[in-house]
Amino acid sequence: AQKITQTQPGMFVQEKEAVTLDCTYDTSDPSYGLFWYKQPSSGEMIFLIYQGSYDQQNATEGRYSLNFQKARKSANLVISASQLGDSAMYFCAMRESSVSGGYQKVTFGTGTKLQVIP
Amino acid sequence: DAGVTQSPTHLIKTRGQQVTLRCSPKSGHDTVSWYQQALGQGPQFIFQYYEEEERQRGNFPDRFSGHQFPNYSSELNVNALLLGDSALYLCASSFGTAETQYFGPGTRLLVL
Repeated sequence: AQKITQTQPGMFVQEKEAVTLDCTYDTSDPSYGLFWYKQPSSGEMIFLIYQGSYDQQNATEGRYSLNFQKARKSANLVISASQLGDSAMYFCAMRESSVSGGYQKVTFGTGTKLQVIP
Repeated sequence: DAGVTQSPTHLIKTRGQQVTLRCSPKSGHDTVSWYQQALGQGPQFIFQYYEEEERQRGNFPDRFSGHQFPNYSSELNVNALLLGDSALYLCASSFGTAETQYFGPGTRLLVL
């Protein structure tokens, strides 16, 4: 069963507007972490933001915020004031740990291609 | 502060050959994970190394093996290459096994 679901293969947003990229997840692990990464055409995965399953507040990093709704198992990324340089693939990912915490396994979604229009 | 580095950046091999990819973690990091990203897909977890041991493995055959050295750098070896092994191979490092992973630029492998 797919653990990370990104239902938007592609999105368009006008420059300076805000955009929300959707992500839902499935896990039975009580302790997990959720990440968003940006992948430009160059290929490097750039870490954007992290939300722990026990964090009470939504994570924010500059123009990025993560809308964490635990009961709905969703972790949407909100990008405010979009810039042309935001055009890239965006991946949602989830970290699950072993019972002993001796490792972590990160599962990625299929990604959303965001294009910012001037 | 050096980030994660990978070598080579590009590689072309033929079916049946063997390949070794290398990764140096970000300064201060001791854990390395490897991912395979096929065209148009999200990265798939191959395995994670910590304290020179393979700690967890994804759904990849034994043709994929790895190693971590005392300086925390790592190698990914793939034997008996198949056309389907063509992909971007990403290395990620973290401080400990449960912290945020930072990725390198990747190695693009093409198998002909």
